Amino acid sequence: DIVMTQSPDSLAVSLGERATINCKSSQSVLYSSNNKNYLAWYQQKPGQPPKLLIYWASTRESGVPDRFSGSGSGTDFTLTISSLQAEDVAVYYCQQYYSTPRMYTFGQGTKLEIK
Amino acid sequence: EVQLVQSGAEVKKPGESLKISCKGSGYSFTSYWIGWVRQMPGKGLEWMGIIYPGDSDTRYSPSFQGQVTISADKSISTAYLQWSSLKASDTAMYYCARHLSPPGASPFDPWGQGTLVTVSS
Repeated sequence: DIVMTQSPDSLAVSLGERATINCKSSQSVLYSSNNKNYLAWYQQKPGQPPKLLIYWASTRESGVPDRFSGSGSGTDFTLTISSLQAEDVAVYYCQQYYSTPRMYTFGQGTKLEIK
Repeated sequence: EVQLVQSGAEVKKPGESLKISCKGSGYSFTSYWIGWVRQMPGKGLEWMGIIYPGDSDTRYSPSFQGQVTISADKSISTAYLQWSSLKASDTAMYYCARHLSPPGASPFDPWGQGTLVTVSS
């Protein structure tokens, strides 16, 4: 299995400041034939299912504010929130969808709070 | 609107069986893989397995192989997750989720609202 490791486990950021969450995979999730990174980011608020924010490592899902961005390639990825808003308090998960046969593992999650 | 609607919360005793459901609507049910995810109380997301309703091709995470059964009934656009003998450690929220796009690998969106399973004597 591909193991996904996020850092930090929790993060407190002031309103309007930048928040950065990292995700590292135990093997590359870059598919050479199409040059795509099979990596997604999800946001989960209390009592809600996860919500897709970013896929292919850097493509923002429709309707997601542009303060959210994803970057990275191969084994190292980052989710950045450029200016933290109160509604961004949540747990964030990375997920790889590269593995065959379709074992799509998640990172352990990063809890984001307001400082 | 593309939707996944899951069955309601369940309270069961250890050793009992259970089958929870996930009904898809607003899209071609047979064309998209549907996965199941466990979230134990206060914990993170765990990938359990996935099914392609078109031909019932099913894959399981090694952690869940033999512990649960994933199935689908394409005639009623519904996927299922079932247990033959529940344990207290099966207490969790269970989510179904659909691939964003067919037919190859892609992230998951939308998600069902979740089914809370509580196993207690």
